[in-house]
Parts: sequence; C-alpha cells; structure tokens
Amino acid sequence: AQSVTQLDSQVPVFEEAPVELRCNYSSSVSVYLFWYVQYPNQGLQLLLKYLSGSTLVKGINGFEAEFNKSQTSFHLRKPSVHISDTAEYFCAVSAALGGTASKLTFGTGTRLQVTL
Amino acid sequence: ETGVTQSPTHLIKTRGQQVTLRCSSQSGHNTVSWYQQALGQGPQFIFQYYREEENGRGNFPPRFSGLQFPNYSSELNVNALELDDSALYLCASSGGLAGTYNGAQYFGPGTRLLVL
Repeated sequence: AQSVTQLDSQVPVFEEAPVELRCNYSSSVSVYLFWYVQYPNQGLQLLLKYLSGSTLVKGINGFEAEFNKSQTSFHLRKPSVHISDTAEYFCAVSAALGGTASKLTFGTGTRLQVTL
Repeated sequence: ETGVTQSPTHLIKTRGQQVTLRCSSQSGHNTVSWYQQALGQGPQFIFQYYREEENGRGNFPPRFSGLQFPNYSSELNVNALELDDSALYLCASSGGLAGTYNGAQYFGPGTRLLVL
C-alpha cells in the first residue's frame, strides 16, 4: 500500500515570489508520482508526472518537481507565481505496474493562496 | 481529442435513494477509475474498470457498484444513499487501445452529489 503526506495545508505567497509545496510518500514497491491542481468547482488537472529517468520533472504552467528516492519526497516548485496559480494542489502516488493504471493515492492537498 | 466528460454536474438526492453517475472516457482510453472527494479532502479510490471488468476496488461498501460498456464509458451506482455519500465524484480515464499506458490518469469535471 502507498500513502502520501502533504506537509502544509495552506501556503500563502506574494505574486512573483517562488514557492515550494512539499510532498512525502511511503511505499513498499516502486512508484509513479504525480501532482494535480484543482481550481474551485472543477476536476483535477495533471501538472506533471514522474515515471522514471531524470529526477527533475517539468510540467505545465512553469511548475517543476524533483523526485528524491532517499528522502521519499516529490516537492513541487515554481520560481515565480501568478495570481492565477491560486488553487488546491494534490500530490498522488501509484504503484509502478507498467502496463495499466494503478489506483492513485492522494494527499490531503495544499491550498496555494497567491496575493498581490 | 475529446476529454473526459461526466454527467450530471450536480445532483440532489434524499437518504435511502439510489443514484447513477456517468462518465465518458477520453478518446483512445480503455480504463476508467472512480474517486470520491469529500469536502476539504483528497480524492479516495472507489474502483477501476478495465475492458469491462472490475480491476481493483478501494475501501467502499458493496452498495457502490459500477459498469463499463464496450465503448469504455462507465457508470457508478450507489444504492441506499447515506448523508456521508455527499461528495464530488470524479472519474479518470487512462490507458490506450493498443495496450499502451503513459502513466497518467485524466480526470473529468466531476459530479457533485448532495444527500439530504
């Protein structure tokens, strides 16, 4: 079984400042890692994913994340945030089964609040 | 390429009633997963359908059931509704008709269910 811990429930940040949203996971098997964003009253949009290879993953909207196997972390970063980045961010993990999708296990989410 | 669609968008039911939620998977995807997202929480895995068969189930009672059709669309049925079933229900599609899987699940906008 897998589990995900998002260490911050809320992160306030000023526009154009950098931000890091933290995510740690636990698993007894190899995993795939994901970050999703959820805007109010909407579904989840995939920001980026780590399957294998380079530990630095770039996603949409200028976000990137780094997989650290020794620290079992997958922190999300953006060098300069915009007001439109205000949303709920979810880290998720699935078992790396290869051929088909495995269930996603989500963290409890981090609310990113960007202000002027 | 058509994205994941869900219907209805909102639904109000009373305790004890039954509900059916529908999901059309993204073009080319053969796997549908259903998740329940309670207010302020991360999504929780209900079950997954692959090629019309249930392919994994989370910690939900049998009154949560589903179907997948030959065109890979899917239904989620919930019998004997309880107040705690009030949530956003999300479906996600993944996979490919050629058996390929790019590691990601793509979510629809969700159906918000309120049980009174």
